[in-house]
Amino acid sequence: QKEVEQDPGPLSVPEGAIVSLNCTYSNSAFQYFMWYRQYSRKGPELLMYTYSSGNKEDGRFTAQVDKSSKYISLFIRDSQPSDSATYLCATTSGTYKYIFGTGTRLKVLA
Amino acid sequence: SAVISQKPSRDICQRGTSLTIQCQVDSQVTMMFWYRQQPGQSLTLIATANQGSEATYESGFVIDKFPISRPNLTFSTLTVSNMSPEDSSIYLCSVEGGLYGYTFGSGTRLTVV
Repeated sequence: QKEVEQDPGPLSVPEGAIVSLNCTYSNSAFQYFMWYRQYSRKGPELLMYTYSSGNKEDGRFTAQVDKSSKYISLFIRDSQPSDSATYLCATTSGTYKYIFGTGTRLKVLA
Repeated sequence: SAVISQKPSRDICQRGTSLTIQCQVDSQVTMMFWYRQQPGQSLTLIATANQGSEATYESGFVIDKFPISRPNLTFSTLTVSNMSPEDSSIYLCSVEGGLYGYTFGSGTRLTVV
């Protein structure tokens, strides 16, 4: 079993839709949770960062962590074609060794 | 956050040859990291490079195959040696951004034929 599982997609949604991206993890020691966005032919860029359980909101983006079910989510409201990218979840127990998901490809249709 | 320049951005190489990838950071950093991103697979840490010491390799990666140099606090190279088609991948340089995760370069897209 992989330490982090993420549906690879692709996920296609119409512009303006609410997007839900999800990951599950297996190690209860993980405390820090990140979402990265990766455009084609670019490196990943940090989008959201969350410590422990709870929600964090930044503009149209909301990151949610449920440690009881080992489930992390990223919600994108009012999705735009510019949101089309691959989204990677990542986690760590606090060391520099992050465990990444495989990424979910998102396409927002105009 | 730091700005990372990585080159080459892409290359097509013959099997059996070696390719050296360069990573330049616009500020001094203690730790630099090299990742591999294969199609359909998660980002995998190859090694951690600290200035003035040997790189630390993760399980499954060895120095003979992926020698790393770290001559100063802003620069590192990763060499992919004796390449085979299985080495075709994206190789990414990154630096730690403290609590805010990693900053990545744009990556080197390597195809081995």
